[in-house]
Amino acid sequence: QQQVKQSPQSLIVQKGGISIINCAYENTAFDYFPWYQQFPGKGPALLIAIRPDVSEKKEGRFTISFNKSAKQFSLHIMDSQPGDSATYFCAASMLFPGTASKLTFGTGTRLQVTL
Amino acid sequence: EAQVTQNPRYLITVTGKKLTVTCSQNMNHEYMSWYRQDPGLGLRQIYYSMNVEVTDKGDVPEGYKVSRKEKRNFPLILESPSPNQTSLYFCASSFEGTGSYEQYFGPGTRLTVT
Repeated sequence: QQQVKQSPQSLIVQKGGISIINCAYENTAFDYFPWYQQFPGKGPALLIAIRPDVSEKKEGRFTISFNKSAKQFSLHIMDSQPGDSATYFCAASMLFPGTASKLTFGTGTRLQVTL
Repeated sequence: EAQVTQNPRYLITVTGKKLTVTCSQNMNHEYMSWYRQDPGLGLRQIYYSMNVEVTDKGDVPEGYKVSRKEKRNFPLILESPSPNQTSLYFCASSFEGTGSYEQYFGPGTRLTVT
C-alpha cells in the first residue's frame, strides 16, 4: 500500500523554467512533510519541509504548497538550473515523540534541467 | 565533520552468506534508521531505532536484523541474504528536538546478492 504517491516519475525542464512535483498522501495523521534531494552516488539530503498549519513555505527558489483538504503537497522549483538536476523524494511522517524518524517516502522524481 | 558513515560501500555476495553493513554517526543523534532504495519504489524503511537497545520494524523488515548496543552505531545484519535483497541501502540518523526533524543520510551501500 503506497501511502505517499508521487508524480511524475521523471521530468525534463528547460533552464529558467518552473519544475513542479506533486505528492498525495492517505494517512490523515501525517503532520510533517519534507522533501529530500538526491544527487547520483549520494545519500538524500533535506531540501525543505512543511507542517500542515501553513499552506506554503518558501526557501529561495524552492516552494512547498500544501493542501490539507485535498491531502496533497507539491514542490515548485523556480528558475530551474542545471545544478538542480537530481532525484527528488517527498515524504511524510507523524510527529509523536519517536515517530518523526519513521518517514514514508514517495517513489521519487528524476528531474533533468536542460540548457 | 558531522557525518554518517557506512561500510562497505559496495558488496557482492552469494545467497545465504551472512553479512553485516555497519553504520556510524558522530552527531550524538538518538534516532537511526535503515532504508533500502529500489527503482520505482523509492526509499523504504527497514528498521529504526529510537535509542540504545530500542528498535522497531519499519515497512520492509523481513530478512533483516539490527542491533543498537551503542548510540553511535546501528549495524544492519542479513543472516541469509537472498537475491531479492539486492538493493542500495542507506543509513540515516536524526535528532528530534527544537523543531528539527532532519534525517542525515550516509553515502549508501550497494549490495548485490547472486
